[in-house]
Amino acid sequence: GAGVSQSPSNKVTEKGKDVELRCDPISGHTALYWYRQSLGQGLEFLIYFQGNSAPDKSGLPSDRFSAERTGGSVSTLTIQRTQQEDSAVYLCASSPGGGSLNTEAFFGQGTRLTVV
Amino acid sequence: AQTVTQSQPEMSVQEAETVTLSCTYDTSESNYYLFWYKQPPSRQMILVIRQEAYKQQNATENRFSVNFQKAAKSFSLKISDSQLGDTAMYFCAFMKQFAGGTSYGKLTFGQGTILTVHP
Repeated sequence: GAGVSQSPSNKVTEKGKDVELRCDPISGHTALYWYRQSLGQGLEFLIYFQGNSAPDKSGLPSDRFSAERTGGSVSTLTIQRTQQEDSAVYLCASSPGGGSLNTEAFFGQGTRLTVV
Repeated sequence: AQTVTQSQPEMSVQEAETVTLSCTYDTSESNYYLFWYKQPPSRQMILVIRQEAYKQQNATENRFSVNFQKAAKSFSLKISDSQLGDTAMYFCAFMKQFAGGTSYGKLTFGQGTILTVHP
């Protein structure tokens, strides 16, 4: 597709369940990021992938959160044993990265996660 | 670590008028990029304008312009001739720059300003 695609658009899950959120970046983009946006708040950095380098996981709030990126393309953010405070919109973005001077990050429309 | 502060949670403006959104930041870096992103109700974040810190000239993009004051660590966004479609949440963001102008993709965002344009 032409843009960053995230699925599902909305997810309602019960407390304690695991969830997986998917991100398809723009083809050819080597950099991929996950952010979390709580209601009415700014964006909180979670994790950053750049090519084959070790990801920057410094923003992951707890060990219940993990992410992987397969084949340098699709990424999955997994939240284990979900808690109500995990309810938020999870945004994925990609950019050309890899030393490119193009700094623009292209965002998906996000996954709204609600933990009940 | 960098911090970005937007002190105006909400702003409103009449259609066709001008509005300025404020942003300040704190960093020990000398070279960096600053951005304004727009997030309409659709949740799709859209880049509005970008400024390289080494450039003294303020960036402009059609009706959007910035007032970049590096010493004061201030980066405000001016929207001229406001349109109903400008109604959105606006985020100021910071990105560190490495030698050679390459970027490190982690963006640090402010808390956002909700802008409402009234007809």
